[in-house]
Amino acid sequence: GESVGLHLPTLSVQEGDNSIINCAYSNSASDYFIWYKQESGKGPQFIIDIRSNMDKRQGQRVTVLLNKTVKHLSLQIAATQPGDSAVYFCAETSGTYKYIFGTGTRLKVLA
Amino acid sequence: DSGVTQTPKHLITATGQRVTLRCSPRSGDLSVYWYQQSLDQGLQFLIQYYNGEERAKGNILERFSAQQFPDLHSELNLSSLELGDSALYFCASSSSGGSQETQYFGPGTRLLVL
Repeated sequence: GESVGLHLPTLSVQEGDNSIINCAYSNSASDYFIWYKQESGKGPQFIIDIRSNMDKRQGQRVTVLLNKTVKHLSLQIAATQPGDSAVYFCAETSGTYKYIFGTGTRLKVLA
Repeated sequence: DSGVTQTPKHLITATGQRVTLRCSPRSGDLSVYWYQQSLDQGLQFLIQYYNGEERAKGNILERFSAQQFPDLHSELNLSSLELGDSALYFCASSSSGGSQETQYFGPGTRLLVL
């Protein structure tokens, strides 16, 4: 069945380093992907999205890469800051209104 | 602040009871989504409404129901509550509910069933 998963449940990085959070998806028909950030006690916050006709999209300090060949999505955060500490989710949808979320990766930024 | 509001923030109740969670979407958004987030299952899509009508259903139990009112706010009703219903319930909204549209999440309601 459809699934969205993350390779690493917890990622620890030094402040100032770059972070890479990975996500694998199984539905080759998925055509829209989103990364969300969820801080403790808050709702998921939109970070960046990408459509399946793109391989890369950049935002402010964040880049999302999409590799449709291997059904892999990644979120790169440049110069990671303490405020980046949170759980990050990828989500996919395949032309329906239903989003499928991964279980999340916790990013810990070490001072 | 996403612009989506949810009340109450916390809710403690007993098994067998019924509760109602409320959501107001961002100004101008016509579509509302409900999600359940538990520790062991992550975010699970429950149901979507668009302009007052149900559009999509996910893993929503028969004990749960929802509706969207003419002013576009939505309510999620949970009845015959069980211990396993304890979770965070999030509402999200988007402008027209399209499949490639960003959903903006509210702060959630934390439900504890004792």
